[in-house]
Amino acid sequence: GAVVSQHPSRVICKSGTSVKIECRSLDFQATTMFWYRQFPKKSLMLMATSNEGSKATYEQGVEKDKFLINHASLTLSTLTVTSAHPEDSSFYICSAYGTVYGYTFGSGTRLTVV
Amino acid sequence: KQEVTQIPAALSVPEGENLVLNCSFTDSAIYNLQWFRQDPGKGLTSLLLIQSSQREQTSGRLNASLDKSSGRSTLYIAASQPGDSATYLCAVREAGNQFYFGTGTSLTVIP
Repeated sequence: GAVVSQHPSRVICKSGTSVKIECRSLDFQATTMFWYRQFPKKSLMLMATSNEGSKATYEQGVEKDKFLINHASLTLSTLTVTSAHPEDSSFYICSAYGTVYGYTFGSGTRLTVV
Repeated sequence: KQEVTQIPAALSVPEGENLVLNCSFTDSAIYNLQWFRQDPGKGLTSLLLIQSSQREQTSGRLNASLDKSSGRSTLYIAASQPGDSATYLCAVREAGNQFYFGTGTSLTVIP
C-alpha cells in the first residue's frame, strides 16, 4: 500500500525560530497534498491544499505568510512554520493524494514551541 | 459548511464487549465517509471507507454503516480487545478533496 513519510515526528524549537516539516510520498506520486492541524482533544482542521508546482490554497483564517507551503515535486511537500510562537504548538499531519491509492496520511509531527 | 459530530467523546468498556461509535454530519451531499484510528501522538490509519452509494462496509471485527439521508454513520466493533484502545475519527469527504473530520471518540478497552 501507499506510504507517506512525515519528518520530523517531534520537534521542539525556541520562540521566534522557523521549523520545516517534510511530507514525502514514498511509493507513489502525489498530485495533491494537504496539511492539517490538530489541537489537543480537537479534530483535524485543514490548513491548506497544495498542488505540485503551484501555490498552495489556504483555508480561511490560516496565515499564508506564517505557514509556508512548498510542493516542489510530486513526492515532496514542506510546511515551514515561520517565527514560531507557543500558540503554534500543535500536531501537524499531512495527507497525500494519488490516483491509485487515494488519500494516505502521514504519521504526524508534534511541534512544541518554547 | 459541513459539521461532523461524534458521540460519545469518550468510552470505556471491558474487554470482550461489543460497542458502537456514532458519527453524524450536517450535509448529506457527501462523496464518501471514512473511519480512522489514531493512536496517541500518531497519524491516522484508515479503517473503513464507505462510498456514498453504499450502506455498509466490513473488515474483520469492524462494521461501518452509512445512512446518508439522515446524516449518520456508525462503527461497530465486535468483541473488543485492549489493542482496540485508541481515538476513532470519522471523516466525510465532499465532491472536492477536503475531508471534514469529527472530534473523535476516545476508546479504552479494559483488560
